[in-house]
Amino acid sequence: GQQVMQIPQYQHVQEGEDFTTYCNSSTTLSNIQWYKQRPGGHPVFLIQLVKSGEVKKQKRLTFQFGEAKKNSSLHITATQTTDVGTYFCAGGVYAGGTSYGKLTFGQGTILTVHP
Amino acid sequence: EAGVTQFPSHSVIEKGQTVTLRCDPISGHDNLYWYRRVMGKEIKFLLHFVKESKQDESGMPNNRFLAERTGGTYSTLKVQPAELEDSGVYFCASSQDAGTSYEQYFGPGTRLTVT
Repeated sequence: GQQVMQIPQYQHVQEGEDFTTYCNSSTTLSNIQWYKQRPGGHPVFLIQLVKSGEVKKQKRLTFQFGEAKKNSSLHITATQTTDVGTYFCAGGVYAGGTSYGKLTFGQGTILTVHP
Repeated sequence: EAGVTQFPSHSVIEKGQTVTLRCDPISGHDNLYWYRRVMGKEIKFLLHFVKESKQDESGMPNNRFLAERTGGTYSTLKVQPAELEDSGVYFCASSQDAGTSYEQYFGPGTRLTVT
């Protein structure tokens, strides 16, 4: 079945350093979504990428979708303590016909930021 | 607008007992999803309802798990009898439209511990 691998599992950075997490899918995706889960919280939608090679920015966050639509990355510039949490990618595959498909989540990257 | 709510927030039960988890989606969201996250692993899809119909239940682990959504509003997920490996956080999510291209709103989750 479809798998989405996400690395690294953990990342510890000093406040102000950059952070990147990567996702790689075993199959071509129709879209990829990114979620953030704060400690003790629940996943919250950040963004969706659909087009091959797409790049989107949200303030200090940059999201990329690979040309082959099998990989994606999230880069945070100059991390802040508010960036702490687990970042998940979730790949979508259109199943065809009337099937809506489902999201396959990566294992998540736990980010800690030291002030 | 109220978000997705789940009850209970925590449940500790003994192996062999029965537990029922409840999810109330955002009002007007026809699509309801159940996910499970075992400690340190990825968020795994369990099933997807469109209104009261099961659209996709390919992620349900076995026949000890029964999900219902009578009337197309709230949903319940019953585990009977519970086993140790059922421990984890059970998330419910809802979306306005179906498919992998739509933002899913997650509930706070139910942390289930089977001892």
